[in-house]
Formats: sequence, structure tokens, C-alpha cells
Amino acid sequence: NAGVMQNPRHLVRRRGQEARLRCSPMKGHSHVYWYRQLPEEGLKFMVYLQKENIIDESGMPKERFSAEFPKEGPSILRIQQVVRGDSAAYFCASSISMAGSYNEQFFGPGTRLTVL
Amino acid sequence: QKEVEQNSGPLSVPEGAIASLNCTYSDRGSQSFFWYRQYSGKSPELIMSIYSNGDKEDGRFTAQLNKASQYVSLLIRDSQPSDSATYLCAVITGGFKTIFGAGTRLFVKA
Repeated sequence: NAGVMQNPRHLVRRRGQEARLRCSPMKGHSHVYWYRQLPEEGLKFMVYLQKENIIDESGMPKERFSAEFPKEGPSILRIQQVVRGDSAAYFCASSISMAGSYNEQFFGPGTRLTVL
Repeated sequence: QKEVEQNSGPLSVPEGAIASLNCTYSDRGSQSFFWYRQYSGKSPELIMSIYSNGDKEDGRFTAQLNKASQYVSLLIRDSQPSDSATYLCAVITGGFKTIFGAGTRLFVKA
């Protein structure tokens, strides 16, 4: 299966713990995007990364959230000291090249984060 | 004004009818436009992309783009109950940021 992979699919954390979400893009894709979706709401852009570079992180809260896409391995979205308001579905998408170059983004199955 | 606006619905159509979904956007520099379908509890699935003014057809789906009016639409012909989902309009702005609308819920009655 060459689709976008995300793990874990479900993650439960207690307040104050760290959440680490992983995303492996489609084969041949070098651009990764993270989105957050609250129940009954639309997708909110968080961050756009290329290998080893953060291209646009304007949608990501400045505190507690970080993202990386190393040369080897999956992209990781890290949320430190989680709070109940972080409970949401986090989706990763990938594209073959940069946003705006007529390229389509394909989504992974998402990680549902629940903060107790 | 929201950057990408859609009617939240629900839009209810009978089976076999045409469903018409609309989306407006605010950034005149936007170049790329997409329609995604999202079933409850699932991830968005790309249905159509459109980049030029006019119509683009793919099976039962037709996307229409009017950049002068900053308007993009999706028509679903011969609607089926399995088309019942939330449809998300996505726009890549002139600043290369992807903005999603809040989505329109479509309900196709058998």
C-alpha cells in the first residue's frame, strides 16, 4: 500500500503528557502537511514541511507544538504538556511537490488524540 | 469574511438528482482548487482538482471554476445514497497556504 501512513490511529494521553504523532508520506512524495480537525469543524492547517525544512508553520501554536520531517524516517508532530483542548483528529497529507504547483494533497487515515 | 466559505447544509437531495455544492474564496491570487469528500470519522478523500476557469468533468462529478467571481462549485449527477458525506472545498492561496472551507453536509435520500 503506497498511501499516506499515520500512527498511531488512536492515542490517549493524560493532561501534561507528551503526544507524538507520526506520518509517512506516499512513495515519491517529499512534501508533508499537518492539519487538525475538531469535532464538527473543518480542517485547520498547522504546518507544511519538506525534508529537513519547515516551509510554513503559521498555523501551529507557538507553544507546546513542534514538527519535523527528517531526512530519514517519518514526519513527527509533537505536542508537549497536552491539555484537553488538544483533543482532536490530526491528519497528515502529502504531495509530490510544493503547494501551489498544481499538486494535489493526499490524506492519511488520521490520529485521533484524546486527552483525559 | 472567511477565506473559504461554504454553506454548512445539510443539503438534501433525492436519489438520482443533481447535487450542487458551492464555495467562494477571498484571495484573488489563488490558483489551485480542490474538492474533498469526507465520511464521518474518516479522512478526506480527493475527488476533483481544478486550476483553470471553466468546467472539468470526471464521471458523475463536474467542478466549475470562475476566478473573476472567486467561485468554485461541484456538481454531482445521479446522486446516490453513498454520496452522503461532507464535501470540503480547499483553496491554495497566492501565499501557497491551503485553506479548507468548513464543509457542506450532503444527504441523498433513497
